[in-house]
Amino acid sequence: GNSVTQMEGPVTLSEEAFLTINCTYTATGYPSLFWYVQYPGEGLQLLLKATKADDKGSNKGFEATYRKETTSFHLEKGSVQVSDSAVYFCALGSSGGGADGLTFGKGTHLIIQP
Amino acid sequence: GAVVSQHPSWVICKSGTSVKIECRSLDFQATTMFWYRQFPKQSLMLMATSNEGSKATYEQGVEKDKFLINHASLTLSTLTVTSAHPEDSSFYICSARALAGEAYNEQFFGPGTRLTVL
Repeated sequence: GNSVTQMEGPVTLSEEAFLTINCTYTATGYPSLFWYVQYPGEGLQLLLKATKADDKGSNKGFEATYRKETTSFHLEKGSVQVSDSAVYFCALGSSGGGADGLTFGKGTHLIIQP
Repeated sequence: GAVVSQHPSWVICKSGTSVKIECRSLDFQATTMFWYRQFPKQSLMLMATSNEGSKATYEQGVEKDKFLINHASLTLSTLTVTSAHPEDSSFYICSARALAGEAYNEQFFGPGTRLTVL
């Protein structure tokens, strides 16, 4: 079956540091890949997505590239801010987008210190 | 933007009672909603897919008679935990899939409901 593995936190960085959160997946076929962010007290929000190999999703300075050869979708940001502190979830869905239920990683708690 | 609400945000109940959790899409219609369950420090696990006007589809290992799902309108799905026991204590999260617009097929998540069964 499908599965997602992401680095466990918490990850603590200083403001303006470079961020990488690793995510690898196991799936049949050609899944779509997502990063969701959850701020305290709020629901999950879609951060970015990629629907086919070599696609790069980007939003709010975050980027992730769909790497089929390494089955990875690592999240990166060049310079983090305190406001980026949240829990980040990597997720996998069926090909074609989020039409079906998603398979999530365990989440990575990111803490950015001023 | 698309907003999904859940009610209640938290609930405490006695063992053996039933608890209903509502999931509403506030500003868009959703023929499909999803129910997830999250244990502490674990990922969200898909429980079932709720389809408006038809029976829900349950994931393997999820008891359909224990977790009753009703999706009676395009904006409301309910999850009823019947005869709840302490092992049902968890964080329940719903999502709703947008039917149209720029966010077509995107899932929007509710803030979750914390259930504690004593």
